[in-house]
Amino acid sequence: GQNIDQPTEMTATEGAIVQINCTYQTSGFNGLFWYQQHAGEAPTFLSYNVLDGLEEKGRFSSFLSRSKGYSYLLLKELQMKDSASYLCAVRGYTGRRALTFGSGTRLQVQP
Amino acid sequence: DAGVTQSPTHLIKTRGQQVTLRCSPKSGHDTVSWYQQALGQGPQFIFQYYEEEERQRGNFPDRFSGHQFPNYSSELNVNALLLGDSALYLCASSLVRGARPYEQYFGPGTRLTVT
Repeated sequence: GQNIDQPTEMTATEGAIVQINCTYQTSGFNGLFWYQQHAGEAPTFLSYNVLDGLEEKGRFSSFLSRSKGYSYLLLKELQMKDSASYLCAVRGYTGRRALTFGSGTRLQVQP
Repeated sequence: DAGVTQSPTHLIKTRGQQVTLRCSPKSGHDTVSWYQQALGQGPQFIFQYYEEEERQRGNFPDRFSGHQFPNYSSELNVNALLLGDSALYLCASSLVRGARPYEQYFGPGTRLTVT
């Protein structure tokens, strides 16, 4: 089976940096994903890590440590529009692209 | 380039009824996955279709069934609706072979309310 844990809520200030952590336990591992989801909308793809290390894409970076079952999403220069839920998801060895999601971290960016 | 589309947007049904939700994948995609997202939770995998066959299934009862058509579009059917089936149903499409085969594109979802 697969189990994914991430904090339920976080609050940060506009212009600051925030790190959202995700730990996972899986029977197989074939990639970790981060999605952003605004209230009432579909999740949108942010990042994908399959090897250890840091992937940077603009204001967003994602880190993976497979040996520790740990990932984080780093958001820099926070903007009000970054207020959303951030979903960590893992793909196991079986199946085509099926993902197991955590419950999501609701980020509130304050002025 | 059309993205993933789903219909209807919202739906209200009564307990015990049956419902059919529809999904058209992103142009060129061949795999469709369905997810159920309860309020305040992450999406839960229901099943996945590729080449008109169910390839993988999550922990959902047989009341949940699906179909994929030759044009890759898909339907999700839920029989004998329960109050607990109220959720946002998301469809995601992907391509088995391509530049970014790991990426799933989600549709806007269908909000199902069971009363």
